[in-house]
Amino acid sequence: GQNIDQPTEMTATEGAIVQINCTYQTSGFNGLFWYQQHAGEAPTFLSYNVLDGLEEKGRFSSFLSRSKGYSYLLLKELQMKDSASYLCAVRDSNYQLIWGAGTKLIIKP
Amino acid sequence: ETGVTQTPRHLVMGMTNKKSLKCEQHLGHNAMYWYKQSAKKPLELMFVYNFKEQTENNSVPSRFSPECPNSSHLFLHLHTLQPEDSALYLCASSQDIAGGVDTQYFGPGTRLTVL
Repeated sequence: GQNIDQPTEMTATEGAIVQINCTYQTSGFNGLFWYQQHAGEAPTFLSYNVLDGLEEKGRFSSFLSRSKGYSYLLLKELQMKDSASYLCAVRDSNYQLIWGAGTKLIIKP
Repeated sequence: ETGVTQTPRHLVMGMTNKKSLKCEQHLGHNAMYWYKQSAKKPLELMFVYNFKEQTENNSVPSRFSPECPNSSHLFLHLHTLQPEDSALYLCASSQDIAGGVDTQYFGPGTRLTVL
């Protein structure tokens, strides 16, 4: 079966750095997505990786290792507004997105 | 604002009611999706339409019936639902179902409660 694993919940301090991991086992691979979802709101696109390596976008970076079936989302200089759920999704060989259950990130002052 | 709107935002219905969820996208996309999101569970893909044609039906019970009259509008018709169908129903759209990055853009969802 296809599976995406990510931690259920993480806590970090304002101004710090946090890394949210995602491991996957899917039928084929056509890219990995990270989305942010604030409570009661729509998921919004953060990043896309299809080749190995690090993609940086401001305070957010995403890393991919296809051989290890592993990705992480790195958030720097954390702000209170970063409190949200972070969803990892992999596009499989049928171009369907397989989703993780999400990581709820709690930022403390 | 993501360019995808959904109505209603909240819906409470009895098991014998019939209701419809509406989704509209203003992004000029060709693919539209219905997802179910339950607490602490992964997003479940229900239906996919590409150029108004249904391309995926992930073993969804027949009490959920989708309709896609054009590339901008998507409906989910509901009838004789069960309490376990209570969830957040998300609509999304993308340029196409294959090729390139093809990022999906989500609407705010309809919070459905079945009594």
